[in-house]
Amino acid sequence: EAGVVQSPRYKIIEKKQPVAFWCNPISGHNTLYWYLQNLGQGPELLIRYENEEAVDDSQLPKDRFSAERLKGVDSTLKIQPAELGDSAVYLCASSLGAVGGSEEQFFGPGTRLTVL
Amino acid sequence: GDSVTQMEGPVTLSEEAFLTINCTYTATGYPSLFWYVQYPGEGLQLLLKATKADDKGSNKGFEATYRKETTSFHLEKGSVQVSDSAVYFCALSLLSGNTGKLIFGQGTTLQVKP
Repeated sequence: EAGVVQSPRYKIIEKKQPVAFWCNPISGHNTLYWYLQNLGQGPELLIRYENEEAVDDSQLPKDRFSAERLKGVDSTLKIQPAELGDSAVYLCASSLGAVGGSEEQFFGPGTRLTVL
Repeated sequence: GDSVTQMEGPVTLSEEAFLTINCTYTATGYPSLFWYVQYPGEGLQLLLKATKADDKGSNKGFEATYRKETTSFHLEKGSVQVSDSAVYFCALSLLSGNTGKLIFGQGTTLQVKP
């Protein structure tokens, strides 16, 4: 069974340019997460979806970041415009559903963004 | 707020040495606790978990015990291998309100030399 797929794996852009990341979760997983991982740090949640609904986006910087999960499957995370401080790894994860807080999350390999 | 603190790395060991990576947490509720591992070039993988006090999670020779009295979840392995070289993350998940949200420590790099 395929794991969580993310693309692109690497992206280099100039500051002020837009960028988008794509995630395809494991088939049948209703919950999808986007995490931000800065160098030398642990991942931090940006947004969590239950099917199509964003149920926790409190950490998403809404002035420049947006996300969508149309049809409750694939998801796209967008930054517009990108800033130098956005250079990081963007991780996507999925799970069957958040039950009791111990539901296993499966992570994709991430997209490493470099903003010049 | 809720948080996880791990010992700083890198931790460098010789093959077959004993491993301990310390992890302590702060949480307002009763969290589930996890250890994730990230091998070079790969995504995070769940290594083990414990959902209540005194539970012991184990996998691939690694163990960690949920200690509520010391708010700790230290990772141990009796004999490490070169293939265990990776970054290890301790994490917690709250049972209510933010179910499914993982709060991670900063990660500890383990280097095992032959």
